[in-house]
Amino acid sequence: KNEVEQSPQNLTAQEGEFITINCSYSVGISALHWLQQHPGGGIVSLFMLSSGKKKHGRLIATINIQEKHSSLHITASHPRDSAVYICAVEMGNDMRFGAGTRLTVKP
Amino acid sequence: DGGITQSPKYLFRKEGQNVTLSCEQNLNHDAMYWYRQDPGQGLRLIYYSQIVNDFQKGDIAEGYSVSREKKESFPLTVTSAQKNPTAFYLCASTRTSGNEQFFGPGTRLTVL
Repeated sequence: KNEVEQSPQNLTAQEGEFITINCSYSVGISALHWLQQHPGGGIVSLFMLSSGKKKHGRLIATINIQEKHSSLHITASHPRDSAVYICAVEMGNDMRFGAGTRLTVKP
Repeated sequence: DGGITQSPKYLFRKEGQNVTLSCEQNLNHDAMYWYRQDPGQGLRLIYYSQIVNDFQKGDIAEGYSVSREKKESFPLTVTSAQKNPTAFYLCASTRTSGNEQFFGPGTRLTVL
């Protein structure tokens, strides 16, 4: 079993819909990262959080340390949000990655 | 502009040849990392370096080697001992552990 599980694996939405991507992990962590990977392969860090909630534009990330769970929400989704979203957890010098959620937003 | 560069973006090699992937950063970051990404799997750590002239094996170091002679540079050599080298390779750096990771654009290596 992977230490970091993401759901769903694939997600298709219509433009404007509210999106939720989930991440569950089974180990103690010092921080959790949400990353965005575009079709060309480049990865951008969206959030790093260790508690509570963070918001950046239309993106919101939450984490529940007790439940070992994090969610990434996208409000008013747009086709340019189409990408693979990756959850990663940090354990000291080590990092473990989920397999990613492929999001496609249709116009 | 500060950032991480990897070159080349696409690389093709014959089986049995060693190949070196470049990673350079001008962010003045201490720590650098190499990851491998295969379809449907999460990134896996190959090697990491927290300081010049020091590096540690990650989860899948077999068949790979690295060097860290300069703070800015962390090249990865994929040797002929790597059984399945065709993959997408990503380099990343952080100021120190526990900070946001910055990723390079990646190199897609295909071994024929």
